[in-house]
Amino acid sequence: DAKTTQPNSMESNEEEPVHLPCNHSTISGTDYIHWYRQLPSQGPEYVIHGLTSNVNNRMASLAIAEDRKSSTLILHRATLRDAAVYYCIPTRGADGLTFGKGTHLIIQP
Amino acid sequence: DVKVTQSSRYLVKRTGEKVFLECVQDMDHENMFWYRQDPGLGLRLIYFSYDVKMKEKGDIPEGYSVSREKKERFSLILESASTNQTSMYLCASSLGGLAFFGQGTRLTVV
Repeated sequence: DAKTTQPNSMESNEEEPVHLPCNHSTISGTDYIHWYRQLPSQGPEYVIHGLTSNVNNRMASLAIAEDRKSSTLILHRATLRDAAVYYCIPTRGADGLTFGKGTHLIIQP
Repeated sequence: DVKVTQSSRYLVKRTGEKVFLECVQDMDHENMFWYRQDPGLGLRLIYFSYDVKMKEKGDIPEGYSVSREKKERFSLILESASTNQTSMYLCASSLGGLAFFGQGTRLTVV
């Protein structure tokens, strides 16, 4: 599995955009980049994934660098409910997800 | 709404007891997983299964076994519970890299 590097924590204000970075320089050509988040006292939940192109869904956007060695999860208008630990996971998915330490996102009202 | 259901939210067991943690998914997924989550250590994969009656060891299988007799159900078994198995246990099912997790079972072994 590709090794990932994410900031331990980030802080943002409510209703402002948040950019969560992830470095995955050893990613293989067939790995998708998945993002999950874990809200307090809950199991992780899927946020978004992509391979090469930028992706958008109702929760977030994913910007993938052209060389695929890094990606950025974008929350366009953070709310207090977005406070969670965010995990970036390169994976083909078949053998389970390998979770790193993730980024603890703190949202200030 | 898709669901992964774990049988208990909280469980307290005694050292040496045999413990069963049950997980059921309603998405007809072939892949199912058991993780444990501990402060400072994150989520670690214990066992996973690609299909009925198949199982594969994850990163920390020692002290655990699993059973998958039906596609929708994946059980984690602690043969003889010990205090170092006190943890949050999370079950998941997946289609490729798209995984759905249960709410977790917080197991305390006393």
